[in-house]
Formats: sequence, structure tokens, C-alpha cells
Amino acid sequence: EDQVTQSPEALRLQEGESSSLNCSYTVSGLRGLFWYRQDPGKGPEFLFTLYSAGEEKEKERLKATLTKKESFLHITAPKPEDSATYLCAVQLFSSGSARQLTFGSGTQLTVLP
Amino acid sequence: DGGITQSPKYLFRKEGQNVTLSCEQNLNHDAMYWYRQDPGQGLRLIYYSQIVNDFQKGDIAEGYSVSREKKESFPLTVTSAQKNPTAFYLCASSSGTVYGYTFGSGTRLTVV
Repeated sequence: EDQVTQSPEALRLQEGESSSLNCSYTVSGLRGLFWYRQDPGKGPEFLFTLYSAGEEKEKERLKATLTKKESFLHITAPKPEDSATYLCAVQLFSSGSARQLTFGSGTQLTVLP
Repeated sequence: DGGITQSPKYLFRKEGQNVTLSCEQNLNHDAMYWYRQDPGQGLRLIYYSQIVNDFQKGDIAEGYSVSREKKESFPLTVTSAQKNPTAFYLCASSSGTVYGYTFGSGTRLTVV
């Protein structure tokens, strides 16, 4: 069975304290791995797509990496405005043109001033 | 600006009542999706549609119905057969694999 597991469930950081969020997956035929940010009461906002092991993408204080079994979202010197829930999702080749995403349960990040 | 509009933002349903959630997009995307989000759980796929007049069940379709009469619109009806409908509902669309989905702002449905 295809599974996407995110850890930790919740993370509290002091402003400037760097850390990483983990997304591990057990799937057959990964087409792509997606990271989204979700603020309370709002829809997820796209951050990154990773397609192959070794790939890295960066955006401001965020850096996403991908291996054959997991992805990390590194947050460098976070600010309070980085507080949100971060969602990981996978897209499989078997989804064909339908392109469904399977989501993990998310990591709720709180950055304290 | 292009995007996805979901309405209403909040919806209250009485027992035994059917309610319809609206989703409209002006991105010219072919595919549209409905997901349900419960606290502490990931998004779960309810229904999806790749083209007009065609749609497929997702993982948790029981108690829900959809239609796709126009490319821009993909309404979701929560029927009385859905025993636990209280959740946050998200509509999304996609035109290809590069950027994944674009999401709407969600509808929070509560049973009263």
C-alpha cells in the first residue's frame, strides 16, 4: 500500500533556529513529490516539486531535497511568518493523466519570536 | 487574476439535508479535484474530473456526488448518506504535472 508519512507532527522553533521536516514515502513509481504550505483556514499554497533523487530546490529560507525514500524541507533561520502547516504529497506514474496527489498528514510548524 | 473560487466559506447542514459546495476556476485547467481535510489527517480524495461530463471516484466517494457540466465548474454535493460530513473541503485544479495543484480557499462544513 502506498504511504506518505510526515514527521514530526508538530514542531516549535525559536526565531532563527534552523531545522528540518521529514516526508518519507513507500510507493511504487514516484512521478513527483510536492511540498505545500497551508495557513489556518486556507487552501494549501504550492512550494516545490521534486522529480528525482538528488534534486534540490530553494525558495527564500526553504530548501527541499529528495532521496529514493524521503524528502526533507529544511528551514534556515526561520521567522514567525514561516509558521504554518507544511504538507507533502506524492504523485505516481500509475495515476496517469488523472494526476492525483496522495498527501501526508502534515507538520505544524510554530516559530516563536 | 486567475484562480479558484470556493463558496461559501462556511456552511451549516442539518441532519438529513443535502448541501452543495461550489468550485469555479478561471485557469483553463482541464482537471479538477475535491479533497476532504480532517484535523490531524492528510487530504483525502473524494472525486476528480479530467474532462467535462466525466468524473471518477476517489478514496472516500461514499455519500458525495459531483457534476462537471462546464470546464470551469465542479460542484460537490454532500448528501444525507454521508454520516460524518463535518470537515474542511478543498477544491483544486491542474493543467499538468509541473506545478501540481492550485487550491481554492476551502469551505468549512459543519453539521448542526
